Amino acid sequence: GAVVSQHPSWVICKSGTSVKIECRSLDFQATTMFWYRQFPKQSLMLMATSNEGSKATYEQGVEKDKFLINHASLTLSTLTVTSAHPEDSSFYICSALRAGETQYFGPGTRLLVL
Amino acid sequence: GENVEQHPSTLSVQEGDSAVIKCTYSDSASNYFPWYKQELGKRPQLIIDIRSNVGEKKDQRIAVTLNKTAKHFSLHITETQPEDSAVYFCAAQIKAAGNKLTFGGGTRVLVKP
Repeated sequence: GAVVSQHPSWVICKSGTSVKIECRSLDFQATTMFWYRQFPKQSLMLMATSNEGSKATYEQGVEKDKFLINHASLTLSTLTVTSAHPEDSSFYICSALRAGETQYFGPGTRLLVL
Repeated sequence: GENVEQHPSTLSVQEGDSAVIKCTYSDSASNYFPWYKQELGKRPQLIIDIRSNVGEKKDQRIAVTLNKTAKHFSLHITETQPEDSAVYFCAAQIKAAGNKLTFGGGTRVLVKP
C-alpha cells in the first residue's frame, strides 16, 4: 500500500489562466500532504504543507495568494496555480504523509504555461 | 532551517561495481532520513530509510549508514545494475517541525554495462 495519485499528469494553459492539480492518497488517510516544485535537473523544493481542515503553511518566498491549497478531506489536497505565467512552468509533485513519518509521492504534474 | 548537502552530483560506475553517495545535514533535531530514487519524468520512489536511533540498515543490495555525531549519512549500492541508473536524493526530516523533508541536491548515477 501507500499509493498516491495526482491529476492531471500534464497540462498546457495560456498565460493568465488558473490551473488546479489534485493529489489523492488512495489506500491510506493523510492528515498532512506536501506540495513540491521541481525544475529540470534540480532537486525538489517544498512549496507548502497542507493540513486537513486547516490553512496551509507556505515556505518562505512562496506566494500563498498565487498557489492556493485546499485540503478538504483526509485523502485529497488540491493546488491551484492562479494567473499562471510562463515562469510557473514546472513539475509539481505532491506527497502524502503516512503513519506520521514517511512521505509517498504522487506521479507529478507537468505544467506548461504559454 | 535544515540544510542537506549531497555528494557527488554525478557518479558513473561500471556494472557490478559499488556506488556510494554521501549526505550531510545541519540540524541535529533531524530524526528520519529517507533515500529516494527518481527516474526521468517519474515520481521519487522511497528505496530505503533510517531513523536516528539506528546506525545502519540494509535491504538486499542497498544499505544506508548514519553517523549522528558527525551529522552525515550515506547510501551504498552494491553489485550495481543498469537499472540502478537514476537520480538519487537523500533527505532529512524533523518530526517536531511538521515532518518537513529537506532534500539534498541529488546524485545522477549512471551504471555502464
